[in-house]
Amino acid sequence: DIQMTQSPSSLSASVGDRVTITCRASQDIKNYLAWYQQKPGKVPNLLIYAASTLQPGVPSRFSGSGSGTDFTFAINSLQAEDVATYYCQKYDDAPRTFGQGTKVEIK
Amino acid sequence: QVQLVQSGAEVKTPGDSVKVSCKASGYTFTDYYVHWVRQAPGQGLEWMGWIKPNNGDTKYEQRFQGRVTLTRDTSTRTTFMEVTILRSDDTALYYCARGSRVGGPRSASDIWGQGTMVTVSS
Repeated sequence: DIQMTQSPSSLSASVGDRVTITCRASQDIKNYLAWYQQKPGKVPNLLIYAASTLQPGVPSRFSGSGSGTDFTFAINSLQAEDVATYYCQKYDDAPRTFGQGTKVEIK
Repeated sequence: QVQLVQSGAEVKTPGDSVKVSCKASGYTFTDYYVHWVRQAPGQGLEWMGWIKPNNGDTKYEQRFQGRVTLTRDTSTRTTFMEVTILRSDDTALYYCARGSRVGGPRSASDIWGQGTMVTVSS
């Protein structure tokens, strides 16, 4: 099975900072990569699909890039409401493995 | 609106079974795969498997094969996830989530149920 390695596991940044998270697949998954946000005590929320396409209604400060095996998620100008854990997920085929998650906190 | 509504929390004893339901509304039930994902307390998301509601085909993460069964009832637009021989490490929040359109391009899970907490304790 394809493994998904996400890093870092946590980060702390100031409001207004740009933060980036990486996700690496152990094999080529083309652009079948999604990013989810999960706020504490809440259901995961799809932010980005097809590696770089924003789900409708998602603020433009969120972005994604990459294809093949290496992907990046970014928050441009971090806001207090962005405190959450972010997960990547491959959906090229089963199993639809998730990355380990990145907990984003405000410094 | 499009939504998935899951059954309520369960408390079970090790060795028991549990069956969680996920009722779809706001879209054609048989048109989309339904996935199941679990999250142990303080841990990450773990994909468990999918069911194709139009014909009942299923696919499971290997570690759940044989202990997890996904079924559906098209008359009530409901999918079910049953876990047998429960262990304490099955204690988790279980989510259903809508997947790709059947016969369509692969897509991420845009709609999630609210989650069902299953606690396994002696």
